Amino acid sequence: GQSLEQPSEVTAVEGAIVQINCTYQTSGFYGLSWYQQHDGGAPTFLSYNALDGLEETGRFSSFLSRSDSYGYLLLQELQMKDSASYFCAVRSDNQGGKLIFGQGTELSVKP
Amino acid sequence: NAGVTQTPKFRVLKTGQSMTLLCAQDMNHEYMYWYRQDPGMGLRLIHYSVGEGTTAKGEVPDGYNVSRLKKQNFLLGLESAAPSQTSVYFCASSSGLGKDEQFFGPGTRLTVL
Repeated sequence: GQSLEQPSEVTAVEGAIVQINCTYQTSGFYGLSWYQQHDGGAPTFLSYNALDGLEETGRFSSFLSRSDSYGYLLLQELQMKDSASYFCAVRSDNQGGKLIFGQGTELSVKP
Repeated sequence: NAGVTQTPKFRVLKTGQSMTLLCAQDMNHEYMYWYRQDPGMGLRLIHYSVGEGTTAKGEVPDGYNVSRLKKQNFLLGLESAAPSQTSVYFCASSSGLGKDEQFFGPGTRLTVL
């Protein structure tokens, strides 16, 4: 089967740095994406890695190691508004851009 | 640009009833998707489409049908609703190019009694 593993919950304080890990087992691999979802809202795209290494977008960075089937999302200078669920997602084939999502990590940012 | 819109936002059905969820996008995207999200879980793909007139099954297609008669619209049908179909349904679209970015609608909250 195909699966993505990420921690169910993470807690951090405002201003801190937090890392959310994602390991995957899929039949193929074309890229790892991260999505943010605030409670009850629509998921929104954060980042994408197709090749090994670090991608930076403002306070958020995402890393990929294809040899380890592993990636992470790094959030810096945490703000209260970063409290949300974060999902990693893998495109495992080249048909239709389909994504397989992990079960999500609920991030709580405390003052 | 409205992006991706979904109607209705909420619906309560009785077991055995049918309904259609409508998704519309104004970004001229080729690819469209229907997902369901259950409490504490990620998104599971129901059906998807790679262009007008095409549809394909995703991870959990049983009990659902879809149609893409126009490029901007993707309809999800429940022929005979069951309590197991109580969920939040999200529609998404993407260009199919570059960064795998999918744009999601606001969701439809469906309860089947």
